[in-house]
Amino acid sequence: GAGVSQSPSNKVTEKGKDVELRCDPISGHTALYWYRQSLGQGLEFLIYFQGNSAPDKSGLPSDRFSAERTGGSVSTLTIQRTQQEDSAVYLCASSPVAYTYGYTFGSGTRLTVV
Amino acid sequence: ILNVEQSPQSLHVQEGDSTNFTCSFPSSNFYALHWYRWETAKSPEALFVMTLNGDEKKKGRISATLNTKEGYSYLYIKGSQPEDSATYLCAFAGGTSYGKLTFGQGTILTVHP
Repeated sequence: GAGVSQSPSNKVTEKGKDVELRCDPISGHTALYWYRQSLGQGLEFLIYFQGNSAPDKSGLPSDRFSAERTGGSVSTLTIQRTQQEDSAVYLCASSPVAYTYGYTFGSGTRLTVV
Repeated sequence: ILNVEQSPQSLHVQEGDSTNFTCSFPSSNFYALHWYRWETAKSPEALFVMTLNGDEKKKGRISATLNTKEGYSYLYIKGSQPEDSATYLCAFAGGTSYGKLTFGQGTILTVHP
C-alpha cells in the first residue's frame, strides 16, 4: 500500500481481555517496528522485525505481550490479560532496511483498558 | 539503557524567528541519528537521517548537523512559520541495539503568528 496501515484505530477493552493490533507495512519494507506512547511519555520501543524474525524484542514489557510477522509483511501485536497500564497509543513503523532510512509510521491504535 | 536527551523541552517563538534545538546521544557505537516532526493528530514524519560525523542536511528552511565524536546534533529552523508548530523528535541507532531507534522525549515548538 501507499502507507503503513494500522487497525483498529481505536480499541476499548475490559481489563483482563486479550487484544490484537494489526500493522500492514509498506510493500517491500523489510524492517518493521512497534512503539507505544503512554500518556505524558515519549515513544517507547517494543519490538523490531527484520523480515519475519525479531532480532530485538527487548522492549516488550512483560510476557503478556507477543508479536509476530508473517510473509515478511503483516504484523500482529497481541496483549493478553490487558491491564490499565497497557492503555497507550501503539504505533507501527516500517523502513526499507534498519536505521539507514527514515521510518514511515502508521496512524496508530489508541488502546484504552477500562 | 541508552540516553537520548533533547533540549529545550518546549519553545515558544514568534513567526519569523529562527530557532534551534539540541539532541545529545551516546558517542560510542554510533550507527545513525534521525530527526522527526510530529504534528498533533498526525504520525511522526521523518525529516533527516544522518550517519556520518559532520553530516549536514537541509530541507527548505530546516537543517541539521551531526557531531558523533561528542554525541550531539542540532536542528535549525530559519524564519519559523506557524505551520512549523510540532514536536520535534530525535532518535539514535547504536550501542548494542542494531536496528532499533531510541527516541528522545522531544522538543515542543509553538510558533505564534
